[in-house]
This record gives sequence, C-alpha cells and structure tokens, in this order.
Amino acid sequence: AQTVTQSQPEMSVQEAETVTLSCTYDTSESDYYLFWYKQPPSRQMILVIRQEAYKQQNATENRFSVNFQKAAKSFSLKISDSQLGDAAMYFCASVTYNNNDMRFGAGTRLTVKP
Amino acid sequence: DAGVTQSPTHLIKTRGQQVTLRCSPKSGHDTVSWYQQALGQGPQFIFQYYEEEERQRGNFPDRFSGHQFPNYSSELNVNALLLGDSALYLCASSHWTARSSYNSPLHFGNGTRLTVT
Repeated sequence: AQTVTQSQPEMSVQEAETVTLSCTYDTSESDYYLFWYKQPPSRQMILVIRQEAYKQQNATENRFSVNFQKAAKSFSLKISDSQLGDAAMYFCASVTYNNNDMRFGAGTRLTVKP
Repeated sequence: DAGVTQSPTHLIKTRGQQVTLRCSPKSGHDTVSWYQQALGQGPQFIFQYYEEEERQRGNFPDRFSGHQFPNYSSELNVNALLLGDSALYLCASSHWTARSSYNSPLHFGNGTRLTVT
C-alpha cells in the first residue's frame, strides 16, 4: 500500500521566519518520487518541489528545501524567509513507478502573520 | 503556453442527475488524470487516461467514467449523482514516458466545483 501522512493540520509562521512542514510516507517500492504541492485559495495545485527517491541530495528551489530521510520515510518541507504569498494549503504527495496514481496527504494549512 | 484548462468552473446538480466535466491538458502533455477533492481533504485519484485508454483507476464506483479524445483532452462523467459527490474535481496533465508517467510532475487545472443538492 502507498500512503502519505501529514500530521500537522495547521501551522503558522511569522513573516520572514522559517517554518517546517512534516510528511511521512509508506511504500514497498524502491522507485518513486515525492512532491510538495501548494494550493492557494484560487484552488490550483502548484508544484513547489520534488525529490527522486534514488537521489540522496535534498532538493532545493529558492526558499524551499526538503529534508528527505529515506530510511525513516520522512519528507519534510522547509520554507525560509516566509512571505505573505506563501499562505496556502500544502500537500505532500508520492507516486511510484508501478502505480501512476499520485497519493496525497490530508494537507497542512499554513498561515503567515505579518 | 496554455496550462491545464477545466470547464465549467462551478456546477450545481440535483441528486440522480448526470454531469460531464471537461479538461484540456497543458501543451505538450498527453496524459490526463482526474482527482476528487472533498472539502478539507487531499485529492483522491479517480483515474488516468493515456492514448485514449484508461490506464489506472482508483477506488471509485462505475458511476464515474471518463474519456480521452485524440487531441488529448478528456471528460469525466458521473452518473446518478449522490450528495457525497459534491467536491472539487481536479484535472491534471503530464507526459508519458516509457511505461509510466510517474516521473512527470502533474500540472493541475483550477478545478470544477460540483455541488449536488
């Protein structure tokens, strides 16, 4: 079975500060990708960052970076220098080679305080 | 470069009716996936289409059916609507490589908000 768990329904951060969103996953496959998507009130899911399981180096995209702990099946997202525009629902997701259906966690609502 | 477009934006239907939602993939993409997102939850996979065939299906009843056209656009049909079908329906496109599309990130549309009364 392929599952994704986000244990933080809500998080808040002060503008310009750093926040980390948690995610754990479970899969029996060795070939998979992990993703973080952002969903603002406009509803469109926007790709934030992705990580290939075979790569040990943590992915980074500007202010966004991940901490990929493969043995622990953990995939957290760190947002540095938080901005008001970062406020949104954040979803962790996984997809495997043998199952093209991307599985999503329940999401974390991030609030950014000015 | 046009992204994923979905129509209509909002839809209100009565229980028992049928509905068709439409999706045009991002330019260069050939694979379309449909997701149902209930309020306050993450998206749930309905099915995926590639080369006009359903390639994979999630845990949804046969009331949910789909189609992909030669231009890669897709439709989602839901028959005998139930109140529980009220949700945001998201279409996502990607590119199929080799045996899978798993390494192609999904690009999502803005979704269709379906309300069943």
